[in-house]
Amino acid sequence: EVQLVESGGGLVQPGGSLRLSCTASGFTFSRYDFHWVRQVTGKGLEWVSAIGTVGDTYYSGSVKGRFTISREDAKNSLYLQMNSLRAEDAAVYYCARERIFATLGEAFDIWGQGTMVTVSS
Amino acid sequence: IVMTQSPATLSVSPGERATLSCRASQSISSKLAWYQQKPGQAPRLLIYGASTRATGIPARFSGSGSGTEFTLTISSLQSEDFAVYYCQHYSDWPPYDFGQGTKLEIK
Repeated sequence: EVQLVESGGGLVQPGGSLRLSCTASGFTFSRYDFHWVRQVTGKGLEWVSAIGTVGDTYYSGSVKGRFTISREDAKNSLYLQMNSLRAEDAAVYYCARERIFATLGEAFDIWGQGTMVTVSS
Repeated sequence: IVMTQSPATLSVSPGERATLSCRASQSISSKLAWYQQKPGQAPRLLIYGASTRATGIPARFSGSGSGTEFTLTISSLQSEDFAVYYCQHYSDWPPYDFGQGTKLEIK
C-alpha cells in the first residue's frame, strides 16, 4: 500500500525545537519530491516547505530561516526540523508526495494522516 | 499568486449540482489542482491540470477553466461529498498557495 506516515509532533514551548518525520512505503521514495503542508485547527491549508529529488529545498516566507527540510532516501524518510517555534506554528503538519503528471503539471497525490504540533508554555 | 475561492460556504441538497469557484490573481494556465478534505482527515487529490480526475475519483466530479478562472462541479451530490474543497496552483512556485477553501454543506 502506498502511504506516508508522520510522527514527531507534540507539545513544545515557544522558542523550542521539534523534528517531524514522515516515513514512506509502497513506492520508490527517491523518485519523488515531497512537501510539508500545515493546517491550523479550523483553518485552511498552508504550504510550508518542499524538497526535490536532488535535495533542493524551498520554504514559505513564514518559516524560512527557522525550519529545515531534509530527506534520507535510504530510510524512505522525510524530515522537518523546526526551530524557534512560535505560537502561530501550532498546527497539524502533513507530509505530501508530489506527482508530476506529464504536461499537466504536478499535484500532491499522496498525503500522510498528519501530526499535531502544539506550541505553548 | 493569490488564490480566492467562492463562496466560503455553499449549501446544496443531496442529488443537486454544486459549483465551486477558484480565481487566481494572475494567469496560471491550467496548473491548478482541487482537493477534498473531510473532518479529521488529510486532503485528497480530486483534480489536476484543472480538469483531469485523479485515480479513483468518481465521474460526478469535474473541473474546468484556465488562466485565472476555474470551476469544480459536482454533478449530483452524494452524502459523502459534503466536505471542504481547496484549490491550489502550481505555477510560478514556490509557494504552492492554496485557496482559503469552500465548505460544502447539506441544505
